[in-house]
Amino acid sequence: DADVTQTPRNRITKTGKRIMLECSQTKGHDRMYWYRQDPGLGLRLIYYSFDVKDINKGEISDGYSVSRQAQAKFSLSLESAIPNQTALYFCATSDLPPRAGDKYFGPGTRLTVT
Amino acid sequence: AQTVTQSQPEMSVQEAETVTLSCTYDTSESDYYLFWYKQPPSRQMILVIRQEAYKQQNATENRFSVNFQKAAKSFSLKISDSQLGDAAMYFCAYRRGGGSEKLVFGKGTKLTVNP
Repeated sequence: DADVTQTPRNRITKTGKRIMLECSQTKGHDRMYWYRQDPGLGLRLIYYSFDVKDINKGEISDGYSVSRQAQAKFSLSLESAIPNQTALYFCATSDLPPRAGDKYFGPGTRLTVT
Repeated sequence: AQTVTQSQPEMSVQEAETVTLSCTYDTSESDYYLFWYKQPPSRQMILVIRQEAYKQQNATENRFSVNFQKAAKSFSLKISDSQLGDAAMYFCAYRRGGGSEKLVFGKGTKLTVNP
């Protein structure tokens, strides 16, 4: 079984809808992340969490919210989806420093907002 | 601000040959880490290799090795004995030391492996 799983793998939704992307991990890592990948822009950090009570904004958090339900679960919500949120979304985990840069990524969720 | 530049949008290599992917970065920090990630058609991002800036020795992982030139701020990835399964997008990434969570990615290089 994969260490980091994401659901759904693909999703098409309409403008204004609320949508939640879910992430689960079995690596036992405390740190979890949500990234967004757009063509030509690489990956950008949306939110990250060091533990259940520690949530931090990344570089592009506007329009997104997150919930860390347990050490192994970290969900990303789009409260009111808009077309420019169409992208590939990745969840990732990492170990503690000095290995914190070693990210373990899920398979990604391709989100299309029409 | 730190930036990572991959100047080769696409590269190709013959199976069993060697290919080098280029990456340069800009930083004023002395403590940092550099990474190469691979993204095959399956979309999953996979860590290929890591280099700590304080280490002079170039990192090696099986057929993958890096040429880390700290003064030139260059971090190239060499893939030896290329295999069809190496075909993917390759992203160079930078992370400042000292507990920073920000991983700065380049825009990627698409590698094609020809049989």
